[in-house]
Amino acid sequence: EIVLTQSPGTLSLSPGERATLSCRASQSLTSSYLAWYQQRPGQPPRLVIYGASNRATGIPDRFSGTGSGTDFTLTISRLEPEDFAVYYCQEYGSSRTFGQGTKLDVK
Amino acid sequence: EVQLSESGGGLEQPGESLRLSCAASGFGFSSYAMSWVRQAPGKGLEWVSAISGGGYGTYYADSVKGRFTISRDNSKDTLYLQMNSLRAEDTALYYCVKGSGSARPYFFDSWGQGTLVTVSP
Repeated sequence: EIVLTQSPGTLSLSPGERATLSCRASQSLTSSYLAWYQQRPGQPPRLVIYGASNRATGIPDRFSGTGSGTDFTLTISRLEPEDFAVYYCQEYGSSRTFGQGTKLDVK
Repeated sequence: EVQLSESGGGLEQPGESLRLSCAASGFGFSSYAMSWVRQAPGKGLEWVSAISGGGYGTYYADSVKGRFTISRDNSKDTLYLQMNSLRAEDTALYYCVKGSGSARPYFFDSWGQGTLVTVSP
């Protein structure tokens, strides 16, 4: 089973700053089947990125995903107030496992 | 617009059973794989089970294998999760989730609001 490790556990930043979230896989992912989800408090998760770098419908272009193999990154170029949330990565090629999440909160 | 509406959650004692339902609308239900994902209070996401669009392929996390059964009725656009031999560690919010395709690989492109299952004496 593939294990996904997200870092940092918590990231404290201010609106307007750049956020960089990491997701590392225990083994190389097939065809970059890596997704990112955003979960705001009291809400279900929402798809942000799929295929490691493709933005989901309705996701603003300040969100970008990069990476391949075992190392993946979600970048938010300029944080808006609504971006402060928990972000999960997920491998969907084989095990469907999620990372443990990164909480992005206001500094 | 895709809509997923879960029901059937509640309070059950350990060892008891519960059946969750998810009514889907706004898309061609039979053309998409569906999953259940749960989230224990204050914890992260855990994939529980998945079923292919036609219902012929079913998949389970090791933590629920042999106790939970996923099924679907494509004539009613409804997904189910039969949960038997419930344990305290099954306590969670259970989300009904739509896959991006009919079979693997697929990501989760729409989520319901969830139904809460609590297992306690």
